[in-house]
Amino acid sequence: DQQVKQNSPSLSVQEGRISILNCDYTNSMFDYFLWYKKYPAEGPTFLISISSIKDKNEDGRFTVFLNKSAKHLSLHIVPSQPGDSAVYFCAASARGQNFVFGPGTRLSVLP
Amino acid sequence: EPEVTQTPSHQVTQMGQEVILRCVPISNHLYFYWYRQILGQKVEFLVSFYNNEISEKSEIFDDQFSVERPDGSNFTLKIRSTKLEDSAMYFCASTPAGADTQYFGPGTRLTVL
Repeated sequence: DQQVKQNSPSLSVQEGRISILNCDYTNSMFDYFLWYKKYPAEGPTFLISISSIKDKNEDGRFTVFLNKSAKHLSLHIVPSQPGDSAVYFCAASARGQNFVFGPGTRLSVLP
Repeated sequence: EPEVTQTPSHQVTQMGQEVILRCVPISNHLYFYWYRQILGQKVEFLVSFYNNEISEKSEIFDDQFSVERPDGSNFTLKIRSTKLEDSAMYFCASTPAGADTQYFGPGTRLTVL
């Protein structure tokens, strides 16, 4: 049973345009969400987080939106840069429990 | 900026052999984790460790696995008798007190032949 889903295994975006990465979850107890970026042969790198008391969190080019009623969150990257090409993982947890990761979405930003 | 480090970067072993994967978490962090990622699959939680004991473990973390913090700086994952399906990237992560963000190491690629 996949509690955290990223239904797009890959996404291609033109440099300068917006990248939108989506994540859906099934466990209504999840109240804290993270996005990680992973380059080949490296560990996941934390990007941005959001807790369930907020519906938006912004950090530079990265914005995460949370829709609790739909159990959906998304990561927006604008403007997209070639260096953003990586695999993006969504992860969710309920307080005091460990994170459950989605399967990842591979983003390719084309120059 | 402090980083989580892992050694070796790549470990090749024969099926049935024991392996120890090593991690040095960030020095003031209190919570430690192991994850694995089989090639082409999602990152999977293995185990979390706090105050010198396992706080949570997944179904993957069976009796073949053990973790240890032998000297206050290293955090090790031991696989007693490796199987072919243990081939994966193993990531260590650590978290400071009062935070949820996990800082990942670069991973150890384990290849079981």
